[in-house]
Amino acid sequence: NFMLTQPHSVSESPGKTVTISCTGSSGSIASNYVQWYQQRPGSAPTTVIYEDNQRPSGVPDRFSGSIDSSSNSASLTISGLKTEDEADYYCQSYDSSGPWVFGGGTKLTVL
Amino acid sequence: EVQLVQSGAEVKKPGESLKISCKGSGYSFTSYWIGWVRQMPGKGLEWMGIIYPGDSDTRYSPSFQGQVTISADKSISTAYLQWSSLKASDTAMYYCARHGGTLDYWGQGTLVTVSS
Repeated sequence: NFMLTQPHSVSESPGKTVTISCTGSSGSIASNYVQWYQQRPGSAPTTVIYEDNQRPSGVPDRFSGSIDSSSNSASLTISGLKTEDEADYYCQSYDSSGPWVFGGGTKLTVL
Repeated sequence: EVQLVQSGAEVKKPGESLKISCKGSGYSFTSYWIGWVRQMPGKGLEWMGIIYPGDSDTRYSPSFQGQVTISADKSISTAYLQWSSLKASDTAMYYCARHGGTLDYWGQGTLVTVSS
């Protein structure tokens, strides 16, 4: 089964830049789009990146996504960190047989 | 405005049945897949399955195949997630979400608690 692996947690200071990785277990992560979701405590998730590197309207350009085929991974980069960015972040893509797959989630602490 | 409004929290006993709902509005309900996502207490997101209300085409994650049933009634723009016999391990928050390339709109979640 296809799996996406994320670091359990990352932390960084306000104003800095942080990158969260999402590594595919098999195949090529570049073969299917990757999405990134932000989930604040007590709230439903929202999309911050879709189709690898696209931002929905309303998501600041401090959020960006990329794919690195050499490491079979996707990355979410947040620059100019704000305390409001503190949340759980999940990557999501597709198994070749169809089911969507989520990464395990990364807890971002901004301190 | 696109909205997905889910039914309220449920407290059930093991072995009981349950059907929770997700009502869409503000868009063509029959033109987008609706997915269900489980989040167990303190855990991550798990994709359960999807349905296309236009023709009721349904796909399940292998982890949830046979454990739940996803359905939809397009006449009232509502999708459903149901269990025939709940277990304590079904205790979780359940979200519906519209598949618009990404999961672009989410319901507020339905908390299901299964306890004897």
